[in-house]
Amino acid sequence: QVQLQESGPGLVKPSQTLSLTCSVSGVSISNNAYFWSWIRQRPGEGLEWIGDITYSGDTYYRNPSLKGRVSISADTTKNQFSLNMTSVTAADTAVYYCARTYASASRYFDPWGQGTLVTVSS
Amino acid sequence: DTVLTQSPGTLSLSPGERATLSCRASQTVINYLSWYQQRPGQAPRLLIYSASRRATGIPDRFSGSGSGTDFTLTISRLEPEDFAVYFCQQYGGSPSFGGGTKVQIK
Repeated sequence: QVQLQESGPGLVKPSQTLSLTCSVSGVSISNNAYFWSWIRQRPGEGLEWIGDITYSGDTYYRNPSLKGRVSISADTTKNQFSLNMTSVTAADTAVYYCARTYASASRYFDPWGQGTLVTVSS
Repeated sequence: DTVLTQSPGTLSLSPGERATLSCRASQTVINYLSWYQQRPGQAPRLLIYSASRRATGIPDRFSGSGSGTDFTLTISRLEPEDFAVYFCQQYGGSPSFGGGTKVQIK
């Protein structure tokens, strides 16, 4: 059974860097059938895809709304991938989800981690 | 970017009734359209991918249809656990989600 689990600080100060890690079990993140994504949901709002990393380490990001503040990396030895978001503001307060992405023409997300709430506040 | 518009915003129905949810894309997404269910306090769950294919373990009361710009998610007979928010998602180069439809008990 494939499972994903987000971890990281629940509180980040404005202008600082948000760092989250997603631990994956049940499948290797090097499996070429999948990419690995970060998605967020602001309080009471819809879902926003942030970006993903492929099985070969290539990355794709939602541009231009995140304006180069985001980077995604992977550690295959730990079967984890991570999100870094710099210069955060209150607008980055959200539940952050990691998800497995099917690397098919119809790219879809399954399963998702349970999500972690990150609050940006001083 | 492709914008997805879901309607209605809220659907009030009784258990056992049929639910029909719409998702319209601002440009064609061919059949690269998925549907998710999100219950309160939970992560989204994949229901349908490639417009009409049910994900593993999803009951057959859930069905998807459409292509191009107009898509529909149908729940044939609502069960109590189906009252939730539903999102559509497209992949046309950069994934994006619709704003969601809340299915609530009438």
